[in-house]
Amino acid sequence: DAGVIQSPRHEVTEMGQEVTLRCKPISGHNSLFWYRQTMMRGLELLIYFNNNVPIDDSGMPEDRFSAKMPNASFSTLKIQPSEPRDSAVYFCASSYGTGGEYFGPGTRLTVT
Amino acid sequence: GIQVEQSPPDLILQEGANSTLRCNFSDSVNNLQWFHQNPWGQLINLFYIPSGTKQNGRLSATTVATERYSLLYISSSQTTDSGVYFCAVRNSGNTPLVFGKGTRLSVIA
Repeated sequence: DAGVIQSPRHEVTEMGQEVTLRCKPISGHNSLFWYRQTMMRGLELLIYFNNNVPIDDSGMPEDRFSAKMPNASFSTLKIQPSEPRDSAVYFCASSYGTGGEYFGPGTRLTVT
Repeated sequence: GIQVEQSPPDLILQEGANSTLRCNFSDSVNNLQWFHQNPWGQLINLFYIPSGTKQNGRLSATTVATERYSLLYISSSQTTDSGVYFCAVRNSGNTPLVFGKGTRLSVIA
């Protein structure tokens, strides 16, 4: 298996622009998680899905953030409009049932 | 919610030394994982170990679920072991993992 796939790996954008991060979970996994990691705040859970349904989005910082999972093999995290404080590494992870979570390589986002 | 504490927060080792990292958690768990975040930022899954003992090369882990702790052993450490080691737990269903703050390990030649 290719593992969790994220794209792009790096994104540099200007403040105010829309940013879309993409994730393909491991085939057969039924839970998908979006995390954000910064030096100041460490690793934070933003939102997670079970069977493509959003279960808990209480970690999404503001209405500027939205996430979708239209099918079992694809999810997006969108920031509109982006701000410099959104600069971070965004990780996607997936799991099956109560099994282990597997992380993608992350997207390093820089908003100038 | 469940609390996860890792110790020590920082550790510096000479290459070839052994070390033990500890993870304490405040409630019963159905999942415990150890991750290594390397200097390039990748989060590597080391062990899925809600109970018992596992070994993978120079690394091994033991979880004593009844006493709510887990230990990660690194033997004959190498500079490539440097990075941050995270313990993460789940205590119900397929809810998200709760992460500790990590142990930052530096192995010097």
